Amino acid sequence: AQSVAQPEDQVNVAEGNPLTVKCTYSVSGNPYLFWYVQYPNRGLQFLLKYITGDNLVKGSYGFEAEFNKSQTSFHLKKPSALVSDSALYFCAVRDLGRDDKIIFGKGTRLHILP
Amino acid sequence: DGGITQSPKYLFRKEGQNVTLSCEQNLNHDAMYWYRQDPGQGLRLIYYSQIVNDFQKGDIAEGYSVSREKKESFPLTVTSAQKNPTAFYLCASSIVRGGSPIRSGANVLTFGAGSRLTVL
Repeated sequence: AQSVAQPEDQVNVAEGNPLTVKCTYSVSGNPYLFWYVQYPNRGLQFLLKYITGDNLVKGSYGFEAEFNKSQTSFHLKKPSALVSDSALYFCAVRDLGRDDKIIFGKGTRLHILP
Repeated sequence: DGGITQSPKYLFRKEGQNVTLSCEQNLNHDAMYWYRQDPGQGLRLIYYSQIVNDFQKGDIAEGYSVSREKKESFPLTVTSAQKNPTAFYLCASSIVRGGSPIRSGANVLTFGAGSRLTVL
């Protein structure tokens, strides 16, 4: 069965430092991978996606993610964190070998410390 | 502006009552989804629909029902059979596969602002 794991419940980073939010996945076919961000009491907003092509994907607000097929990972990164990046981040996967379900990880809360 | 509208934003229900959450989109998206969000558990898929008059169960469909009579609308009913209905409910929509999967917008979910249901 397809699944997504976000091993860290919370990540703390000092403002200006690089940040990484980890995500690993398990699918039977080829994956479509996504990152979303959620601010308090709001719906999720799309950040970026990997469908095919370059393993390094660039998205909104200066975020990027690297697809690593051998490690089945899709970690979210940003070179220099801002306090406004503090939010809840979700990794998601769609398994092309199955139906059109899109499955989300449990989320990682990112705290950027001023 | 195009988007997804969920209503009501907050809802209180007594035990044993059914309640229906509304989800309307004007994005002309084919697929619509309902997720439930609980603290520490992320988003869990309840039901999804790729086309009018058709829908599939997600991972936690028990105690819920949906309908898809119109492309724009995908209401979720939380029935009295749902043992622990207090949660934040999120509706989403997307363009269905068809055409290039890498085209902008394909496979990306657009979310509503959510409905918070509390059972008293």
